Amino acid sequence: ETGVTQSPTHLIKTRGQQVTLRCSSQSGHNTVSWYQQALGQGPQFIFQYYREEENGRGNFPPRFSGLQFPNYSSELNVNALELDDSALYLCASSTGPPRVVGGYTFGSGTRLTVV
Amino acid sequence: DAKTTQPTSMDCAEGRAANLPCNHSTISGNEYVYWYRQIHSQGPQYIIHGLKNNETNEMASLIITEDRKSSTLILPHATLRDTAVYYCIATDSNYQLIWGAGTKLIIKP
Repeated sequence: ETGVTQSPTHLIKTRGQQVTLRCSSQSGHNTVSWYQQALGQGPQFIFQYYREEENGRGNFPPRFSGLQFPNYSSELNVNALELDDSALYLCASSTGPPRVVGGYTFGSGTRLTVV
Repeated sequence: DAKTTQPTSMDCAEGRAANLPCNHSTISGNEYVYWYRQIHSQGPQYIIHGLKNNETNEMASLIITEDRKSSTLILPHATLRDTAVYYCIATDSNYQLIWGAGTKLIIKP
């Protein structure tokens, strides 16, 4: 068991719709990052939260947004879905703070398909 | 920002040591090298990380060259369950992990 739980595991949405993906981290994991992984590629960093504030962002448009909650859970929201948003979305957490070196614990991901 | 390059795929016989190379010739002095692996349909799993010195843990060893331009991940006794995509990753100036496409390691019986 990884200690990071993502839901749902699979999801199919229609182009133009909005989606919310959820992540539940271990107690004490103050840093959470979200990644997008297209088929056959490595994960791409979307953004990171530390103690409920956005702490860094990758090259993703504003329709990708997130929230982190005091109970160590977090959300990734994507508006106006496009076909290219089809991917595995991964959540990773650590005890943080973000600039302390260490390993992240990843969830198993949510497979999003946009049709 | 550092960039890493790895072979696309490698084979290794079960029970032998698997040596996975990684080039990171543009890495700067304060950028760590991380290794993660991803077994099919699962999230990535942290293996090891290092800065200058060689590192060893219960999973693997990491050998970093003195000039820090390359490193090798060593799985000492590979098993079939070690079949996975292995990522060599360097952090960017904001300490974010920059991932490449990784090496697909296949352990053969």
